[in-house]
Amino acid sequence: ETGVTQTPRHLVMGMTNKKSLKCEQHLGHNAMYWYKQSAKKPLELMFVYSLEERVENNSVPSRFSPECPNSSHLFLHLHTLQPEDSALYLCASSQDFSRGTLTSAAHTDTQYFGPGTRLTVL
Amino acid sequence: GENVEQHPSTLSVQEGDSAVIKCTYSDSASNYFPWYKQELGKRPQLIIDIRSNVGEKKDQRIAVTLNKTAKHFSLHITETQPEDSAVYFCAASQRTYKYIFGTGTRLKVLA
Repeated sequence: ETGVTQTPRHLVMGMTNKKSLKCEQHLGHNAMYWYKQSAKKPLELMFVYSLEERVENNSVPSRFSPECPNSSHLFLHLHTLQPEDSALYLCASSQDFSRGTLTSAAHTDTQYFGPGTRLTVL
Repeated sequence: GENVEQHPSTLSVQEGDSAVIKCTYSDSASNYFPWYKQELGKRPQLIIDIRSNVGEKKDQRIAVTLNKTAKHFSLHITETQPEDSAVYFCAASQRTYKYIFGTGTRLKVLA
């Protein structure tokens, strides 16, 4: 599948390391998302970018820093993480019809997920 | 705050039987309800969705029903097969980019 790709697929890092997760979407969408998936918890929305502008930041600790250089790419920069940050980090994309389109009505559209990065913080 | 409750958390059925997963949402403004299937080690994939102007939608062995008055919606899988075994997530949304997900249901289809 090539719709939404993520690298790396697995990452092990120490608490003092700095690393970045990368997401790329090939669907022509204009919105991209970062989610955290932990065992026995709902998917947690972390960040949303629409037309490269951050539109949602769900009280995520500053040790997570997103970057969206264009509508096809999304990064999550990680530094001084804690063991409880170990989880599957999922990227998703969708078409946000509420921004810069012919219709003025907000429209919810399907989010397509990447395969995720399994992060382990030691 | 907004939340979605999903039940049951685990479900085991015999192959060929039906499976039903239920979700209840709190935000009455929610108007879009997708269901995702996540197999072990794989990404969540959309299997069916329904919008608030429709009460029921069917796609082969999968159907979703929506009761807006009661604020709940359900996933129905008929004639289950071993490859249906996965974790299923429901979500509710009233804004273009904000999904509220349920906690997931682990479905096991026993051969």
